[in-house]
Amino acid sequence: SYELTQPSSVSVSPGQTARITCSGDVLAKKYVRWFQQKPGQAPVLLIYKDSERPSGIPDRFSGSTSGSTVTLTISGAQVEDEADYYCYSATDNNLRVFGGGTKLTVL
Amino acid sequence: QVQLVQSGSELKKPGASVKVSCKASGYTFTDYAVIWVRQAPGQGLEWMGWINTNTGIPTYAQDFTGRFVFSLDRSVSTAYLQISSLKADDTALYYCAREENYYHGSGPVDYWGQGTLVTVSS
Repeated sequence: SYELTQPSSVSVSPGQTARITCSGDVLAKKYVRWFQQKPGQAPVLLIYKDSERPSGIPDRFSGSTSGSTVTLTISGAQVEDEADYYCYSATDNNLRVFGGGTKLTVL
Repeated sequence: QVQLVQSGSELKKPGASVKVSCKASGYTFTDYAVIWVRQAPGQGLEWMGWINTNTGIPTYAQDFTGRFVFSLDRSVSTAYLQISSLKADDTALYYCAREENYYHGSGPVDYWGQGTLVTVSS
């Protein structure tokens, strides 16, 4: 089975840089997408194709990749960025998989 | 504007069935795949599968074969998720979303429904 591994939690102070990693063998071959989910809300796409940002997403959100690990970087994290973050990727057989999610605390 | 609007919350007894709808508007329905995602209470996102809106062919994740059925009505730009023989651990929020360029595996998943809460309880 395909697995994407994320840290369960990350904590930063406001204004600091938050980095959330996502690891999995499939990521060496497949693109990743990142989502933000706040309580009671549907997920919001932050990044697709590893590092592309949809319109309307602040440029403090960026994505990078190195081998089988991808990283979502939030530069100058704000209190409003406190949320759960999920990575998402295709698999070899063209299914999809989510990472387990990372709870970001900004305080 | 693009919208995916899902049907309302459902309360069902164990063993019953439920059908969740996801109505798309603001874009050409057949230009995007529809994916289904489950989120159990307090848990993460779980990819259930997708349906090709051109062919109507569904594909299911391993944990969602048998009792789960995806379907379409292209005449009203609506996708459906039907779950039969409901169990207590089917209690979850179910989301639909559109995915661009599904076969390339890189396109945005940029619009989501608001989620449908299915509660299974006797």
